[in-house]
Amino acid sequence: NAGVTQTPKFRVLKTGQSMTLLCAQDMNHEYMYWYRQDPGMGLRLIHYSVGEGTTAKGEVPDGYNVSRLKKQNFLLGLESAAPSQTSVYFCASSQRDRGYGTGELFFGEGSRLTVL
Amino acid sequence: AQSVTQLDSHVSVSEGTPVLLRCNYSSSYSPSLFWYVQHPNKGLQLLLKYTSAATLVKGINGFEAEFKKSETSFHLTKPSAHMSDAAEYFCVARDPRERDDKIIFGKGTRLHILP
Repeated sequence: NAGVTQTPKFRVLKTGQSMTLLCAQDMNHEYMYWYRQDPGMGLRLIHYSVGEGTTAKGEVPDGYNVSRLKKQNFLLGLESAAPSQTSVYFCASSQRDRGYGTGELFFGEGSRLTVL
Repeated sequence: AQSVTQLDSHVSVSEGTPVLLRCNYSSSYSPSLFWYVQHPNKGLQLLLKYTSAATLVKGINGFEAEFKKSETSFHLTKPSAHMSDAAEYFCVARDPRERDDKIIFGKGTRLHILP
């Protein structure tokens, strides 16, 4: 069972470079999310998607773009990387929450990005 | 849920002693509630979730949580801590009545196990 897979797992970029993180899920989930995790800051939502072809801004969207052309994939792009984007990025997916624990989130293993 | 508060950012217990990690939520309704665990350099793993079948929820690795609507709490407990329990724990609320089933994370509690 693959679940949620993130690629790449590690990446070092120079300031101004661009890159794309890929998240793939094989559970036919409608909802997908990108979070970043920084020491002492918990998890902060960057962007999310509630279905194929839809995206929405989260808490910290600036400097990032996303696309969900296929239901199983959610891409996170950095057009011009900045040192402040050094972080660990987590992708998650879920079905729609219908209450009582049905909306469990499934997480990937994370992608560690360093911007020099 | 409008907010999730984990009352302790760090908790230290000795191996073999009980663990209590506290979580309070604020909401007009009864949200879906979850506890996740994150071991160092790993992703988040579901420990347990409240499904309304019972107010005392059993999870993996001997953890339990009790849903108390009157106190808007969902505290996580374990009778006897093990060294492998050292990790960060997140309390999460999700409300299907909020736009896009809004998810709210607590800030996390780091659990330290003393030998």
